[in-house]
Amino acid sequence: ETGVTQTPRHLVMGMTNKKSLKCEQHLGHNAMYWYKQSAKKPLELMFVYNFKEQTENNSVPSRFSPECPNSSHLFLHLHTLQPEDSALYLCASSQERAVSYNEQFFGPGTRLTVL
Amino acid sequence: GENVEQHPSTLSVQEGDSAVIKCTYSDSASNYFPWYKQELGKGPQLIIDIRSNVGEKKDQRIAVTLNKTAKHFSLHITETQPEDSAVYFCAASMANYGQNFVFGPGTRLSVLP
Repeated sequence: ETGVTQTPRHLVMGMTNKKSLKCEQHLGHNAMYWYKQSAKKPLELMFVYNFKEQTENNSVPSRFSPECPNSSHLFLHLHTLQPEDSALYLCASSQERAVSYNEQFFGPGTRLTVL
Repeated sequence: GENVEQHPSTLSVQEGDSAVIKCTYSDSASNYFPWYKQELGKGPQLIIDIRSNVGEKKDQRIAVTLNKTAKHFSLHITETQPEDSAVYFCAASMANYGQNFVFGPGTRLSVLP
């Protein structure tokens, strides 16, 4: 185990549903990330949080809404998704962003299917 | 911005043989190059990394080489075992500026018994 947990592991939702993905890290880190992993494409960085503050939004559509209530928890709220949003969503954490050569620790991901 | 290419996309080797995966990057300012292994049903896990001030790093059966002039780096796995079967991702970043990783598209390695 990497110390980063994600729930649920699998999620099937309709385009009109609202759901949330949860990530929790037990490593004492202060930076957390959401990535999207689609088939045959590189990992796409979506959001970055450092000390609970969002430091990066990589032009992600507003139907994805992140929330970071504290340094240990990260949520991704989903609303009116499209079938092309089906992918594996990975959460990662690392020491604060200012630390150089920062290893990122990944959770197992949530496999999302949008019908 | 940084762009990372990775080859091959799939690689099959016989158990005991060596495997080599190659990556190229575009931004000469990148100075940190981690390699991640992703097993089925799991998230990526760091297996080895290299900083731009060294040309080679080794950890048991895995090694990474870096050619800054040519802007490419490679992962070498010797004496491959079935448990090495996974998807491998290379990445590049400007670590000392806290920059994000840019990942390659991945290589699916299959080690045949």
